[in-house]
Amino acid sequence: AQTVTQSQPEMSVQEAETVTLSCTYDTSENNYYLFWYKQPPSRQMILVIRQEAYKQQNATENRFSVNFQKAAKSFSLKISDSQLGDTAMYFCAFFAGNTGKLIFGQGTTLQVKP
Amino acid sequence: NAGVTQTPKFQVLKTGQSMTLQCAQDMNHEYMSWYRQDPGMGLRLIHYSVGAGITDQGEVPNGYNVSRSTTEDFPLRLLSAAPSQTSVYFCASRVSWGPQHSGEQFFGPGTRLTVL
Repeated sequence: AQTVTQSQPEMSVQEAETVTLSCTYDTSENNYYLFWYKQPPSRQMILVIRQEAYKQQNATENRFSVNFQKAAKSFSLKISDSQLGDTAMYFCAFFAGNTGKLIFGQGTTLQVKP
Repeated sequence: NAGVTQTPKFQVLKTGQSMTLQCAQDMNHEYMSWYRQDPGMGLRLIHYSVGAGITDQGEVPNGYNVSRSTTEDFPLRLLSAAPSQTSVYFCASRVSWGPQHSGEQFFGPGTRLTVL
């Protein structure tokens, strides 16, 4: 069975600095997708970034980028130039087509301090 | 395009009461699902559906029923509410196949349910 682990329950960063959130997963699949979702205090789940496992290039979306290490089954999220609006809970998630299910990690609460 | 909508946003129940959480999507997605979110546990899958008339159990199905009579709607029923069902509930949908199929799910705004 696939599992996703986020080992950092809480993190904080100063505004304008860079922070990295960790995620590891376990699977025997070769083709899959990985996601980072953001959940601000409004509770809405917002897709931040997506990575296809067959792509070696790390995904980037503006200030958000990932470090995808397939062999190590690691998928970390880097937030550059942190902003107060980045304060939220962040979830790492795994999807493989054979199960059709999206598996979530436990979440990391990120606070950006002014 | 409203996306995924859920009602109500908040609900308080007494132990033993029943209720239905409503979910609808207007994106013509085949796949719909229900999750519950509890502190320190992420989102856990309750039930899911791959199309009208087809439903299946997820990780934590006990105490919940679902049905899928149309592509658009996927209600979640609590048969006899228990305090352990106090949680935030999310409905989500996605494409099941084709070039846009990547597993990305679109979420509703959530329902905060408290069972006393």
